Amino acid sequence: QKEVEQDPGPLSVPEGAIVSLNCTYSNSAFQYFMWYRQYSRKGPELLMYTYSSGNKEDGRFTAQVDKSSKYISLFIRDSQPSDSATYLCAPRDDKIIFGKGTRLHILP
Amino acid sequence: DTGVSQDPRHKITKRGQNVTFRCDPISEHNRLYWYRQTLGQGPEFLTYFQNEAQLEKSRLLSDRFSAERPKGSFSTLEIQRTEQGDSAMYLCASSASPGQDDSNQPQHFGDGTRLSIL
Repeated sequence: QKEVEQDPGPLSVPEGAIVSLNCTYSNSAFQYFMWYRQYSRKGPELLMYTYSSGNKEDGRFTAQVDKSSKYISLFIRDSQPSDSATYLCAPRDDKIIFGKGTRLHILP
Repeated sequence: DTGVSQDPRHKITKRGQNVTFRCDPISEHNRLYWYRQTLGQGPEFLTYFQNEAQLEKSRLLSDRFSAERPKGSFSTLEIQRTEQGDSAMYLCASSASPGQDDSNQPQHFGDGTRLSIL
C-alpha cells in the first residue's frame, strides 16, 4: 500500500458545482496535511494546510482531515474555470509525501 | 515579491551528458529542497539543505546526482552521465525552519526545470 493514495481523475464538473477531492493515507505519524494546486508547466502552489483532524476554510476552499479514518478532503465551492488544475494532497511528518494528484476540469 | 526561481526552465541534452540546474530560494528561507516529478505523478523528494548543510538524501538520489548549496543561498543540482530515465521535471522548494514547537513551515515551489534526454 502506498503512503498516499489519490484518484488521478480526470474529474470534470460544470462551472458553479461543488467539487470534492479526496486522499487516503497509511502513516499515522502525519500531523500536517497540505493541499497544493499545480497548473500545467508550473510548480505546485500551496493552497492551504491543516494540523491534525478538523476543518479549515479559506474563501471557496475547505480542507477536512479525519485522522481516525486517515482520510483527507478538499472541497471547492462555486467552482470556476480557473480552478482547472491538478490538486495534490500532501501530508507530512518529517517530510512531505505527495499524492499523484487529481486532474480537475471545470467546464464553462 | 520574488518567489523561488529556477534556471533553466527547460534543458534538452543527449544521453551521457552532464547537466546542472540552479535554484534561487526565497531570500529569508534557510531550508531548500529538491524534488523530481514525472508525468502523472506527484513530486518525489530527493534531498534538502538547512543553510549550507545537506541534511537528508533520498534513495532516489543515485551517485550520479549531486547537490550543493555552498553559501546557504542558491543551490545547484548536477546530474552526471544522464540516462533516459532522468527525464523529468526537477522542482526546487524553500521554507523557513520549523518553529520550536515543530510548527509547519510551508514549502514554496519554483516552476521547475524540465529535463529531456534525447
